[in-house]
Amino acid sequence: AQSVAQPEDQVNVAEGNPLTVKCTYSVSGNPYLFWYVQYPNRGLQFLLKYITGDNLVKGSYGFEAEFNKSQTSFHLKKPSALVSDSALYFCAVRDPSDSWGKFQFGAGTQVVVTP
Amino acid sequence: DTAVSQTPKYLVTQMGNDKSIKCEQNLGHDTMYWYKQDSKKFLKIMFSYNNKELIINETVPNRFSPKSPDKAHLNLHINSLELGDSAVYFCASSQGGGQGNQPQHFGDGTRLSIL
Repeated sequence: AQSVAQPEDQVNVAEGNPLTVKCTYSVSGNPYLFWYVQYPNRGLQFLLKYITGDNLVKGSYGFEAEFNKSQTSFHLKKPSALVSDSALYFCAVRDPSDSWGKFQFGAGTQVVVTP
Repeated sequence: DTAVSQTPKYLVTQMGNDKSIKCEQNLGHDTMYWYKQDSKKFLKIMFSYNNKELIINETVPNRFSPKSPDKAHLNLHINSLELGDSAVYFCASSQGGGQGNQPQHFGDGTRLSIL
């Protein structure tokens, strides 16, 4: 069975500072990993994914994430946070060996960027 | 152009009523999903259809019945609504079904409130 954990309910950061949102996962094989962002009263928007290859993946709005197989982590990062990055962030995992497997979402991390 | 559209956006109704939510995607995807997001923002898969065939059916009360008339549409009918059904319901779509590595695209949700 697959699972994903986001250990922080909320991350507070000052504008211009680096932003990190943590995610760890558990799957039986090699995972497909995704990050999504949700703004108030909107659906989730895809930011980036890791399927295979380079451990550092770049996505939308200046975000990037690093896949670390030994630590089973896929932390989301942004070098310089903006107030407009304040939103709810979800990590998701899918096990490609599980036929018609579902996306498993983390509980979400609220990011608050202060001016 | 809205990629995944849900109607209605808001739904306020009395306990015991029956209601439907409609979803349409114009992305040409072969797989569609229904999720429930509770008041703590936790996202839970309910159903998934691939080319009109039900492939994921989570532990959901049988008062909830999905229907997919074609692969661009996935509707959700709820009978005998209960207070605990109050939530935001999201429709999503993706290409490639369970073993695909493509991200999901979400609608903006239907906010269901039971009085």
